[in-house]
Amino acid sequence: GDSVTQMEGPVTLSEEAFLTINCTYTATGYPSLFWYVQYPGEGLQLLLKATKADDKGSNKGFEATYRKETTSFHLEKGSVQVSDSAVYFCARQEGSGNTGKLIFGQGTTLQVKP
Amino acid sequence: KAGVTQTPRYLIKTRGQQVTLSCSPISGHRSVSWYQQTPGQGLQFLFEYFSETQRNKGNFPGRFSGRQFSNSRSEMNVSTLELGDSALYLCASSIGGTTSSYEQYFGPGTRLTVT
Repeated sequence: GDSVTQMEGPVTLSEEAFLTINCTYTATGYPSLFWYVQYPGEGLQLLLKATKADDKGSNKGFEATYRKETTSFHLEKGSVQVSDSAVYFCARQEGSGNTGKLIFGQGTTLQVKP
Repeated sequence: KAGVTQTPRYLIKTRGQQVTLSCSPISGHRSVSWYQQTPGQGLQFLFEYFSETQRNKGNFPGRFSGRQFSNSRSEMNVSTLELGDSALYLCASSIGGTTSSYEQYFGPGTRLTVT
């Protein structure tokens, strides 16, 4: 079935380091792809999205490119801050039509040390 | 615009009881989805409602049910609670309709503890 796989965490980085969190998906068709972030004790916040192949989503210094050839949507940031410490979830829309069902990866915890 | 609100934020219930959780979507959003988040299973889709109709359903037992009202507010109900139902229940709203991007906006969640 459809699935999303993220790299296991925790990922521990020093401030200003480069971040990559890998995400791959299985799908038929071209579903919309998303990255969400969850801070302790809170719900999920939409970080960025891409709706078609080769789209690049970006927000707050984070970027991810929809790669249909490798079925990937890796999250990157050039210089992380302590405030980026959180759990990051990659998600894909189920199917490609009218559906509010998202399939999530298992989440990757990011710890940024000063 | 106000974000997605969920009430209550915290609940403690006893095994065998039932519980009702409430979600108010962003104004203008007609789709509401519910997710269960646990450390072991991660984020799992429960169901989606659009225009008062259940449009999608996840793989949860019939003890889990929901509904949506004409103002798009939604409730979910869990009957005969089990210890394994302890989780963070997240509600998400989106515009719905024919849009294809379906970005969802999440509420802060309801933390349910079953003892």
